[in-house]
Amino acid sequence: DVKVTQSSRYLVKRTGEKVFLECVQDMDHENMFWYRQDPGLGLRLIYFSYDVKMKEKGDIPEGYSVSREKKERFSLILESASTNQTSMYLCASSFFLGNTIYFGEGSWLTVV
Amino acid sequence: KQEVTQIPAALSVPEGENLVLNCSFTDSAIYNLQWFRQDPGKGLTSLLLIQSSQREQTSGRLNASLDKSSGRSTLYIAASQPGDSATYLCAVKGSGSARQLTFGSGTQLTVLP
Repeated sequence: DVKVTQSSRYLVKRTGEKVFLECVQDMDHENMFWYRQDPGLGLRLIYFSYDVKMKEKGDIPEGYSVSREKKERFSLILESASTNQTSMYLCASSFFLGNTIYFGEGSWLTVV
Repeated sequence: KQEVTQIPAALSVPEGENLVLNCSFTDSAIYNLQWFRQDPGKGLTSLLLIQSSQREQTSGRLNASLDKSSGRSTLYIAASQPGDSATYLCAVKGSGSARQLTFGSGTQLTVLP
């Protein structure tokens, strides 16, 4: 079974802190994604990566950056956390674009 | 821009009933469509992926159909059980160079014992 692991399930951070959300997949997938999910707004793509060190902006990249130094690991970085970044963050991966996409369990981030 | 709609937003049915969840999309030039299940506070679990050239896919008690020309997909759940209670989302992948999935907002299903 494909496993996408998000290292932190629940985080509480202060405004202005730098926040790292880590995601690891164990199936040698080429593509990895970061989404956020908010009530009434659904899932929105923040960034995705189609290869090591390669990334593309999604719909809402402002205030976020990403890092993919190794194929299995995709990190989401909030450079200076703000309260409007309080959300559920979901990491996902797929082998090819258009293949089944697999999600992690999610990371609940609260910024106070 | 692709838009994906799921109606109704919430649905309650008694246990044992067969039910249909709906998903509609505005741009019929799709590559595939996926149905997901999401339990409260958890990530999404892929249920079925149906390619644009396919009409339907089946997995156990689940059957997904796709009608590209009308921009519609349905997820049929047979003999519903309380364990089927969850939010069901559909997502469409565009054809061509579109890399993203466009998600619907989901239907929250409650199966009453």
